[in-house]
Amino acid sequence: DQQVKQNSPSLSVQEGRISILNCDYTNSMFDYFLWYKKYPAEGPTFLISISSIKDKNEDGRFTVFLNKSAKHLSLHIVPSQPGDSAVYFCAASAGGSQGNLIFGKGTKLSVKP
Amino acid sequence: DTGVSQDPRHKITKRGQNVTFRCDPISEHNRLYWYRQTLGQGPEFLTYFQNEAQLEKSRLLSDRFSAERPKGSFSTLEIQRTEQGDSAMYLCASSPISSGYHGYTFGSGTRLTVV
Repeated sequence: DQQVKQNSPSLSVQEGRISILNCDYTNSMFDYFLWYKKYPAEGPTFLISISSIKDKNEDGRFTVFLNKSAKHLSLHIVPSQPGDSAVYFCAASAGGSQGNLIFGKGTKLSVKP
Repeated sequence: DTGVSQDPRHKITKRGQNVTFRCDPISEHNRLYWYRQTLGQGPEFLTYFQNEAQLEKSRLLSDRFSAERPKGSFSTLEIQRTEQGDSAMYLCASSPISSGYHGYTFGSGTRLTVV
């Protein structure tokens, strides 16, 4: 049973436009959410996180939005750059920032010049 | 510090053989995690340590799997009597006990192929 779902396996956007990656979760005990970026042959790299007490967190070009009632979060990348092309994983934890993480299957983002 | 280091990067083994992987975390990090990632899936939690104590193990960690962190520094993950289904990327991650709103740091992983 997939507790964290990323329903879009892939997304293609034009350079300079907005990329929106979506994630849904089923476990209402999750209280901390993260996005990781992964390049081929490398481990996932932490990108941005949000606690369940917030509904938005912003870091430069990256913003994560959390809608607890809908059990949905999204990652916005503006403007998108070719170097953003990677697989993006959504992850959730029921133990705050130190709990083990439940990952989605990932969305492969391609940003075309 | 150069980050989380995993060794080897790649391992090919015959079914039934034992394999051992090593992870060296970031030196000041108390917590160390092992994850497994198969093709088309996200990483799946296996186990984690706080210092030398193994605090949680996933049901994915069968009796053939054992992990240790003897001195609270590096960790090893051993798989006995490997099966083809064990073929995966094994990822190690580490974090300090209080890292605020920051995720933990992953290594580049060990890719295991069981033939």
